Amino acid sequence: EVQLVESGGGLVKPGGSLRLSCAASGFTFFNTWMSWVRQAPGKGLEWVGRIKSYSDGGTSDYAAPVKGRFTISRDDSENTLYLQMNSLKTEDTAVYYCTSYDFWSGFYQDWGQGVLVTVSS
Amino acid sequence: QSVLTQPPSVSGAPGQRVTISCTGSSSNIGAGYDVHWYQQLPGTAPKLLIYGNSNRPSGVPDRFSGSKSGTSASLAITGLQAEDEADYYCQSYDSSLNSGGVFGGGTKLTVL
Repeated sequence: EVQLVESGGGLVKPGGSLRLSCAASGFTFFNTWMSWVRQAPGKGLEWVGRIKSYSDGGTSDYAAPVKGRFTISRDDSENTLYLQMNSLKTEDTAVYYCTSYDFWSGFYQDWGQGVLVTVSS
Repeated sequence: QSVLTQPPSVSGAPGQRVTISCTGSSSNIGAGYDVHWYQQLPGTAPKLLIYGNSNRPSGVPDRFSGSKSGTSASLAITGLQAEDEADYYCQSYDSSLNSGGVFGGGTKLTVL
């Protein structure tokens, strides 16, 4: 059974930093592209960024609103995905979902339960 | 303003058929990129419902079906059930944006 379990969310002040983790199991993590998708309270889904498998280069891409502030990384030895969030803004307040990404067809296959990040003074 | 346009809400009575549209443009759906659909039940994470325009993952009832034509796509739900009440999102890729994908704004389905 595929499991994606996020952790690390919480309340942080504007300008602060937070690191989210996503523990993966039940599939070949090292060979899978991974993404973060967020959902602001009462709003729709927004792609945050993705990281390729190391066999496909291991590079990451980001949505314009977070580029330069957020960094996605992965530890294949621990089957864990990370999202380092710096210079946080109030508009980054959202539930953050870890997802696996099918790069052939471009869909988000499996989703974690989500973790809430609240940016407020 | 989402790149993909969905109606904010649709409704139907139990047993009825409803459709949810997803309208794009020549840089996304019209360019031939696949459309995918997600179901988000209240208080839960989104779940993949349809991938590659019309394919259902294992476990998704055949009451759910997807189609694509031109610059639009549709999700159809037949034999509507109370547990289908949820938010539904379409998603595709847009060649004019450097992104991992674009989502529609979401459609709230109410079962009357």
